[in-house]
Amino acid sequence: ESVLAQSPGTLSLSPGERATLSCRASQSIDDRFFSWYQQKPGQAPRLLIYAASSRATGIPERFSGSGSGTDFTLTISRLEPEDFAVYYCQQYGGSPMYTFGQGTKLEI
Amino acid sequence: QLLLQESGPGLVKPSETLSLTCIVSGGSISSGDYYWGWIRQSPGKGLEWIASIYSSGGTYYNPSFKSRVAISADTSDNQFSLNLRFVSAADTAVYYCARHVGWGRFDSWGQATLVTVSS
Repeated sequence: ESVLAQSPGTLSLSPGERATLSCRASQSIDDRFFSWYQQKPGQAPRLLIYAASSRATGIPERFSGSGSGTDFTLTISRLEPEDFAVYYCQQYGGSPMYTFGQGTKLEI
Repeated sequence: QLLLQESGPGLVKPSETLSLTCIVSGGSISSGDYYWGWIRQSPGKGLEWIASIYSSGGTYYNPSFKSRVAISADTSDNQFSLNLRFVSAADTAVYYCARHVGWGRFDSWGQATLVTVSS
């Protein structure tokens, strides 16, 4: 079973700055099955990026995903106040089996 | 607009069976290349996928739960359900139902239901 490790655990930035979040898999992943989610307190996770680099419907262009194999990155080009939340990466690893990272908290 | 809504007991006693239902509106659970799944979230274990059911009825389980979990669908009422047997305090969590597109992204989520296991 592939494990996803997100870093950093907490990222402290200011509005207007650039955020770079990392997710590393213990085994190589098929890019088609890698996604990023945003979760705010009391809400369900919201799909941001799928297939490693495709933005979900309605997601602003400031969100972008990149990477392949075992290393993936979520970049928020210019932080807006509403972007401060917890971010999770997720992969399908076959068998079937889905796994999620432990999350990165993006705080002001 | 696709909407998913979980319902469940809120409180379950240890060793009993947890039963949850997800009512889907705005789309049929029996059509398309979609899977309908359950995911839970707890402070200790984060987000965990539990089980999914395909639009044609195939079922898929996380091996960690496989011995005590069952997922089923009622296409006439457009809902699907989860039964988790022999619950313990470790099963206390927020439970989400969600749709996933093939074995890819979870693109629609319910608002969640909190389940506490306690005597």
